[in-house]
Amino acid sequence: DTAVSQTPKYLVTQMGNDKSIKCEQNLGHDTMYWYKQDSKKFLKIMFSYNNKELIINETVPNRFSPKSPDKAHLNLHINSLELGDSAVYFCASSHLTGQGNYGYTFGSGTRLTVV
Amino acid sequence: KQEVTQIPAALSVPEGENLVLNCSFTDSAIYNLQWFRQDPGKGLTSLLLIQSSQREQTSGRLNASLDKSSGRSTLYIAASQPGDSATYLCAVGGATNKLIFGTGTLLAVQP
Repeated sequence: DTAVSQTPKYLVTQMGNDKSIKCEQNLGHDTMYWYKQDSKKFLKIMFSYNNKELIINETVPNRFSPKSPDKAHLNLHINSLELGDSAVYFCASSHLTGQGNYGYTFGSGTRLTVV
Repeated sequence: KQEVTQIPAALSVPEGENLVLNCSFTDSAIYNLQWFRQDPGKGLTSLLLIQSSQREQTSGRLNASLDKSSGRSTLYIAASQPGDSATYLCAVGGATNKLIFGTGTLLAVQP
């Protein structure tokens, strides 16, 4: 299926652990993103990669480190997890042009719970 | 700094009613505006994308309008159905490629 897929769907872990979330898109898009949806359902961008190059890095603790091995994959590694990191993390992709982005497609989300 | 607000925060209507969801944004320098739907525990589904040069887009029972100069967009849903129950999010895209999301409208359509 043509999609943005991310794994795992659910992640429960203890404080202080390190965890990774993986994302893959087969839409041929050149740009990928990580968004965070907090407990109040507000969505905010964290990172964006265009053709494997980091182009957006919002004010995110440096415990969060994205990695893009190729333009179809974008992973998110989180070190020393804290309770406040509990949220739903969404991967997305789009095609970026000089007039904005097209075809924004979101994955189904990873619900991270830190206990 | 771009801020996006959606009104109302929640809406409950009987089946068959036509309804309007509102979205306003503070910076009119946008490239496009998108409406998404999010079902509980699910990801986001793109409903309509309006480019800054366009005034409206239609898909089935959905019609979205854009008034860039006044910083407003509306999503019109005709003949609502219980299956339309979800959270509706608007998001604006600017010169950077990130989307700035609104606060969402939780819609419940009662059978």
